[in-house]
Amino acid sequence: AQTVTQSQPEMSVQEAETVTLSCTYDTSESDYYLFWYKQPPSRQMILVIRQEAYKQQNATENRFSVNFQKAAKSFSLKISDSQLGDAAMYFCAYRSRGGNTPLVFGKGTRLSVIA
Amino acid sequence: DTGVSQDPRHKITKRGQNVTFRCDPISEHNRLYWYRQTLGQGPEFLTYFQNEAQLEKSRLLSDRFSAERPKGSFSTLEIQRTEQGDSAMYLCASSLDSRNTIYFGEGSWLTVV
Repeated sequence: AQTVTQSQPEMSVQEAETVTLSCTYDTSESDYYLFWYKQPPSRQMILVIRQEAYKQQNATENRFSVNFQKAAKSFSLKISDSQLGDAAMYFCAYRSRGGNTPLVFGKGTRLSVIA
Repeated sequence: DTGVSQDPRHKITKRGQNVTFRCDPISEHNRLYWYRQTLGQGPEFLTYFQNEAQLEKSRLLSDRFSAERPKGSFSTLEIQRTEQGDSAMYLCASSLDSRNTIYFGEGSWLTVV
């Protein structure tokens, strides 16, 4: 079974600075998807960024980018120019490309942004 | 596109009572998922539907839990004889198919007292 590990329960960053959230995963599959989801307090979970394992190029969405290291099974999220609205729980998630398996989540990292 | 909606958003119930949650997925999404999330944890998969067919159930889904998706539209999750350990947020999500992004609702908080 696939597992996702987020080793940083909490992180903080100064406004306008850059922060990196770590995620590692374990799988025997070669084709899969990886995601970062953001869950603000008392609000719904929204997709931040998605990476397809067969793509070598790291995904980027505005201030959010990933460092995908397939051999190391590592998938970190970098948030540049941090904003107060970035404060939230961030979850790393894995999904097989095969389609019949659900998202598997890590335990999350709580990010605080300091003004 | 109105997003995934869940009802009720909050429910407080006494131990032993039955509760039912409803989820309306994004229209035309044929996959619908239920997850459970407790404080400080990531969401845990419970079950999912493709159209009206329930294709997979987690071992977390005890026989007190039942989910339905009649006609492949909205879904209900019923918990019978609730226990304090059932207190959690129940998340519903949907996707167009197996390869597309999964979108989440705001969740239904259950407190069993």
